[in-house]
Formats: sequence, C-alpha cells, structure tokens
Amino acid sequence: KQEVTQIPAALSVPEGENLVLNCSFTDSAIYNLQWFRQDPGKGLTSLLLIQSSQREQTSGRLNASLDKSSGRSTLYIAASQPGDSATYLCAVRDLGNTPLVFGKGTRLSVIA
Amino acid sequence: KAGVTQTPRYLIKTRGQQVTLSCSPISGHRSVSWYQQTPGQGLQFLFEYFSETQRNKGNFPGRFSGRQFSNSRSEMNVSTLELGDSALYLCASSQPTGGQETQYFGPGTRLLVL
Repeated sequence: KQEVTQIPAALSVPEGENLVLNCSFTDSAIYNLQWFRQDPGKGLTSLLLIQSSQREQTSGRLNASLDKSSGRSTLYIAASQPGDSATYLCAVRDLGNTPLVFGKGTRLSVIA
Repeated sequence: KAGVTQTPRYLIKTRGQQVTLSCSPISGHRSVSWYQQTPGQGLQFLFEYFSETQRNKGNFPGRFSGRQFSNSRSEMNVSTLELGDSALYLCASSQPTGGQETQYFGPGTRLLVL
C-alpha cells in the first residue's frame, strides 16, 4: 500500500529565502507525482505534475524534482514571498488508474 | 473555462441526518473524484466516477455513496451522519489526455455535524 510522507510538517522562513520541501513515497512503481498548494479553508491548486519518466518540472519560481528509485520528490521555492504562505501537499498516483495518495502536507509561513 | 464548483459551501447537520453534496466538473472533464479532508487524517480518497461508472472506491463505510450523471456532474451522499464525518469534502475533476492527468479541485464543502 502506497504511503506518502512529508517532512517537515511546518516550516517558517524569512522572506527572500530559498527553500526545499520534501516528499517521500514507499512504492516506486508510480505513474506520476503532483504538488498542490492549499490556502486555509480552500481547495487545492495544482502546482506541478511530474510523470514517472521525468526528472523535474519547473514553473516560475517553483521547481519539482523526482527520484523514483529512492522514492523522493522535492519542491524548491526560490526567493520566497509572504504570498507563498500556504500548505503544500504532495500526491502520488500509482500505476493502473489508481487514485491519488496524499501526504499530510507541509505548512509554510514566509515572514515579511 | 469555469473551474470546479461545489455546492453548498457550508453545511451544519445533526447526528443521524443525511446530506447530499454536489460537484460540477470543468466543462469537458469526465472524471470526478471525491476526497474527505480532516486535520487528523489529511486527505482521504472516497471514490472516483468516470462516465457515470464508479472506477475506484476508498476505504469508507457504506454510508458514503455517490453517483455521476450523464453531464458529468456528481453527487455524494452521507447517510446517518456521525460526529466524525465533520470535514472538508473536496471534489476534483480531470480529463485524461496522454498521461497528463492533472486534477483540478473545487473549493470544497465544509460539513459540521453536531
């Protein structure tokens, strides 16, 4: 059974700092991995999707990497801003039309 | 394109009642998934519908049920509500296209059971 873990559970950084959020998964036979952002009391916004054959994806100040063999993904946020404050969730889809399995998220606070 | 919409946004019910939540996917999307989010358990998968057929089901009791209509709109129903059913219920739609199955989430329905 796939399990997804995100460490740390919470992170507070000063504005302008570059930071890395971590995601690990137990079964490397994945179809894709997706990073989401969730603002308090709101739904999820998709940030980046990495197919199992890819190593990384970039969107603006965000870069996500995938190392299937070690069961790890990282989300790199460059030059963090207070508006980046949110909970970041990692989700894995296994092979075979299976549903997304989510980690519990990292709650990020960027202090001005 | 309009995003995923969910109604109602907030609900207060009492134990033993039943509730129906509605989700309208992005136009053209045929897959709708439902998730329950609680502080303790995080996001847990409830079920997925594709072209009116349930394609996947999570590990929830039979009190939780759903359906999808021919226009891809979906409803989920929870009968005999329990206090532990208090949660944010999220709906997501997607349209598989060569593997780029990004899921787009609605704002959620926050259910409080008293």
